[in-house]
Amino acid sequence: EDKVVQSPLSLVVHEGDTVTLNCSYEVTNFRSLLWYKQEKKAPTFLFMLTSSGIEKKSGRLSSILDKKELFSILNITATQTGDSAVYLCAVEVISGTYKYIFGTGTRLKVLA
Amino acid sequence: GAGVSQTPSNKVTEKGKYVELRCDPISGHTALYWYRQSLGQGPEFLIYFQGTGAADDSGLPNDRFFAVRPEGSVSTLKIQRTERGDSAVYLCASCSGGSDTQYFGPGTRLTVL
Repeated sequence: EDKVVQSPLSLVVHEGDTVTLNCSYEVTNFRSLLWYKQEKKAPTFLFMLTSSGIEKKSGRLSSILDKKELFSILNITATQTGDSAVYLCAVEVISGTYKYIFGTGTRLKVLA
Repeated sequence: GAGVSQTPSNKVTEKGKYVELRCDPISGHTALYWYRQSLGQGPEFLIYFQGTGAADDSGLPNDRFFAVRPEGSVSTLKIQRTERGDSAVYLCASCSGGSDTQYFGPGTRLTVL
């Protein structure tokens, strides 16, 4: 059965800290891995990763994929209170059609 | 429209009732997904439409759940004989193709009393 596991489940840090969120997966027919930020209801897209070893960066956020070890990390540097959210990892698989399997998310709280 | 919209934002119903949840995708997006998200969990896939047809409905939990997309844009998720366990946030997402960045709507919070 395809699965996506995120760790830690929750994390509390202070402003200015750097955090690393983990996502590991076991799926058949992997196509891509995506990171989302969910603050209230709608997850908002952060990154899509398809190739190993190529870092994607957007401001203080960056992410990288390791297709050999089947994991990805999301780094946030110089955290701010506005980074407080649930960070979701999803893996896109092809099984006749396109399907996305989500992890349970990491709940990040950044304290002022 | 500018983004994916879902109505209603909140729905409270009684056990055994029928509900319909609506999703308006981004204009021109051919692919549409429905997910269910329970508290403390990630979104769980329900059904995927490509155009008007349900390309994959393997995530629908049972035959009380049904979804349509008759004109290839707006979609309606229908739940018959609701149960308390159906309480969750129902998310809709659309994308321009089957494999592309998904854009999520704000969700409908369904509460079954």
